[in-house]
Amino acid sequence: DTGVSQDPRHKITKRGQNVTFRCDPISEHNRLYWYRQTLGQGPEFLTYFQNEAQLEKSRLLSDRFSAERPKGSFSTLEIQRTEQGDSAMYLCASGRSQVDEQFFGPGTRLTVL
Amino acid sequence: QQQVKQSPQSLIVQKGGIPIINCAYENTAFDYFPWYQQFPGKGPALLIAIRPDVSEKKEGRFTISFNKSAKQFSLHIMDSQPGDSATYFCAPGGGNQFYFGTGTSLTVIP
Repeated sequence: DTGVSQDPRHKITKRGQNVTFRCDPISEHNRLYWYRQTLGQGPEFLTYFQNEAQLEKSRLLSDRFSAERPKGSFSTLEIQRTEQGDSAMYLCASGRSQVDEQFFGPGTRLTVL
Repeated sequence: QQQVKQSPQSLIVQKGGIPIINCAYENTAFDYFPWYQQFPGKGPALLIAIRPDVSEKKEGRFTISFNKSAKQFSLHIMDSQPGDSATYFCAPGGGNQFYFGTGTSLTVIP
């Protein structure tokens, strides 16, 4: 069990650029969640996958955000035309069906200049 | 996130003290009530969780007390240690979505 991994750990980009983050969940986990966490706040739910199906999306997830989980394994989160307000820590978590426990990755810290 | 209110925002205790962190929620459909611990630069890690069919759960030095009628649950840390200094989050929900509180920064003074 190697835990949830996220890549990159840090990303600095200029406003208007597109960025993509990757999450590799624990291998036998079929649930995958994305959260956004800003300084001094708790993680905010963005979206949820069960296997390859995206079953829930928060209203926070604007049209500039898209997430995929092809083949139900790793997942990517893409932000198009980044804005300074997108600066945050993006966290990925995974879990098993029928079990609510989530295992979080270390996060990707995005800074938009 | 507005569905969950966590208090206090910060807490300082002496080593051996018993910090108590509270979480109030609105959605009666929630069926899973966890507490997470987060250290700087790390993702949250599950500390302890409870289901609504029990009023208290103890795991080591950590205890959750759950009051279904008041829609509140709390975390008690017995014999707190400097290594417990971290940010703690409640995150009630279940299945597809979980709603994190705003966090409590705990400092345990040696």
